[in-house]
Amino acid sequence: EAGVTQSPTHLIKTRGQQATLRCSPISGHTSVYWYQQALGLGLQFLLWYDEGEERNRGNFPPRFSGRQFPNYSSELNVNALELEDSALYLCASSRLQGQGVNQPQHFGDGTRLSIL
Amino acid sequence: AQRVTQPEKLLSVFKGAPVELKCNYSYSGSPELFWYVQYSRQRLQLLLRHISRESIKGFTADLNKGETSFHLKKPFAQEEDSAMYYCADYKLSFGAGTTVTVRA
Repeated sequence: EAGVTQSPTHLIKTRGQQATLRCSPISGHTSVYWYQQALGLGLQFLLWYDEGEERNRGNFPPRFSGRQFPNYSSELNVNALELEDSALYLCASSRLQGQGVNQPQHFGDGTRLSIL
Repeated sequence: AQRVTQPEKLLSVFKGAPVELKCNYSYSGSPELFWYVQYSRQRLQLLLRHISRESIKGFTADLNKGETSFHLKKPFAQEEDSAMYYCADYKLSFGAGTTVTVRA
């Protein structure tokens, strides 16, 4: 099966600009998750979408937002970019079961966002 | 507050030696916990989950509710085990990760 795909691979922006990152989940997966992996900080959960709805949100400011489309692909939008937004942004997908994420997540290769 | 913690950022062991990666969680109840692994130049992928109670690549992890821990263990480390390991819970909290280096 095709894995989770993310685009672009790299994205370079300047402070104050807006960035859009894209993710296509594995076929049959309805849940999409976004994480930020900044240097030395591990994975920080950003957003979780399922069936087009935002299910949960991590401790990030409102300028981090996203959406999920009817085909279950997803976009992550980051407005008013700041230098500390420079990180690897990972997308993952899974089937949904129960109230928590008790299905394993499958990760993409990530988008490297660099803010100059 | 961080629900899942990995106290060790780096762990270095010799080939054939036992390796144990520590993971602690900070809530009560019946957590569902996972270990993910990222090998060099590969994607982050699931290694094992506690609900499966299985051994993957020689690794096992036992949930200890008394100690609120989910440590990952392998009795004889191999060079191909060198990777970054993350402990995670079902509420999307990931530990900071432990980089394991297995030396020949």
